[in-house]
This record gives sequence, C-alpha cells and structure tokens, in this order.
Amino acid sequence: QKEVEQNSGPLSVPEGAIASLNCTYSDRVSQSFFWYRQYSGKSPELIMSIYSNGDKEDGRFTAQLNKASQYVSLLIRDSQPSDSATYLCAVPDNYGQNFVFGPGTRLSVLP
Amino acid sequence: DVKVTQSSRYLVKRTGEKVFLECVQDMDHENMFWYRQDPGLGLRLIYFSYDVKMKEKGDIPEGYSVSREKKERFSLILESASTNQTSMYLCASSYPLVGAQDEQFFGPGTRLTVL
Repeated sequence: QKEVEQNSGPLSVPEGAIASLNCTYSDRVSQSFFWYRQYSGKSPELIMSIYSNGDKEDGRFTAQLNKASQYVSLLIRDSQPSDSATYLCAVPDNYGQNFVFGPGTRLSVLP
Repeated sequence: DVKVTQSSRYLVKRTGEKVFLECVQDMDHENMFWYRQDPGLGLRLIYFSYDVKMKEKGDIPEGYSVSREKKERFSLILESASTNQTSMYLCASSYPLVGAQDEQFFGPGTRLTVL
C-alpha cells in the first residue's frame, strides 16, 4: 500500500515570506504528483501537478520533484493571508485508478 | 469547467435512518469516488467506481454501500446511520488515470450529522 506523508503543521509564516511544504512517498514507481489546496469547510482544489524531476513554476507557486529521494515540495513565494489553508499532496495509486492523499499540512500566513 | 455537485451541503439524520448522498458530474468522467474527511484523519476513501455498475471498496467501506446506475451519478448509501458516521463527505470524479496525469475534481461536500 502506497503511503504519502506530510508534516501536519501548523506551519506559520509571516506575510511576504516563502512557505515550504514537503511531501514524501513510499515507492519509486510513482510518476506524477499533485498538490491540492483546501480552505476550511471547503473541498480540495488542484493548484499544481508535476511529473518530471526538477522545478515547475506557476505564478507564486513552485513544485519541486526529486524522484530519487521520493520527495516533492511546494513553495509559495510572497505568501498572503489568503494562502492560509491545508495543502494536500496526492499520488496515483499503483493501479492508476485512484489517488493516495497525504494527511495535509495546515499553513497559516500571518499578516 | 468541470462541475461536481452533491445533493446537500448539510444534512442531519437520526441513528438508524437510511441515508442517501447523491453526486453528479457533468464531464463524462469514468471514475467517481466517495471520501469522508475527519479532523486529524485526512481524506479516507470509502468506495470508488470506474464504470457504470462497477464499484470497488476503498479503505473504509464498512457501513456504506454505493450505486452507480448512470455514468454521471454516484450515490453513497448509509444503510443504518450511526453517530460515528458524522463527518464531511466528499465526492470526486476523474478520467482514468492513464499516464497518471489527470486530476480528481471534488464536489462541495456534504456535512452529515447523525444524532
């Protein structure tokens, strides 16, 4: 059974700082990785996906993937209070039919 | 835009009642999923379906059943609701994860309280 781990937080950063969220996964087969953001009381929404080693940037968000280390991270530059949410890391399961979600990291951006 | 809708945002039921949660998606997705989410436990998969009339158990299927008679609709059934089924229920849909490059789209969630 594939496992996805994240620090539960809360991770607190001041407004304008870089927030760094980390995710590790248990096997070397995984090929793609997804970051979801979930505001309190709302459903998760996709913010980034990454398939290749290295960095992928989208606006203030950068996903970093290191398959050898089985590690994927999400950086949020110039953090805003509106970024305060729980961030979920997800990896397709071994059958490619479902996602395995990490427990999520709660981020708090302080004004 | 993909839209996944759920029949209720909030629902209050009594112990022993039969509860139906409905989910509809409009993107012709093959795969549909039911999760529950509880504080400290994250998202837990109850059941999923990859085709009409097909269903697969997830991690916590006990006390639940599902029905998928049409491609766009996936129903979660609590045969006899219990207080430990009080939770946020999330439906999601996706294309088959061929090449593992497709995301899951989530509905708004149903917060169920069982008294």
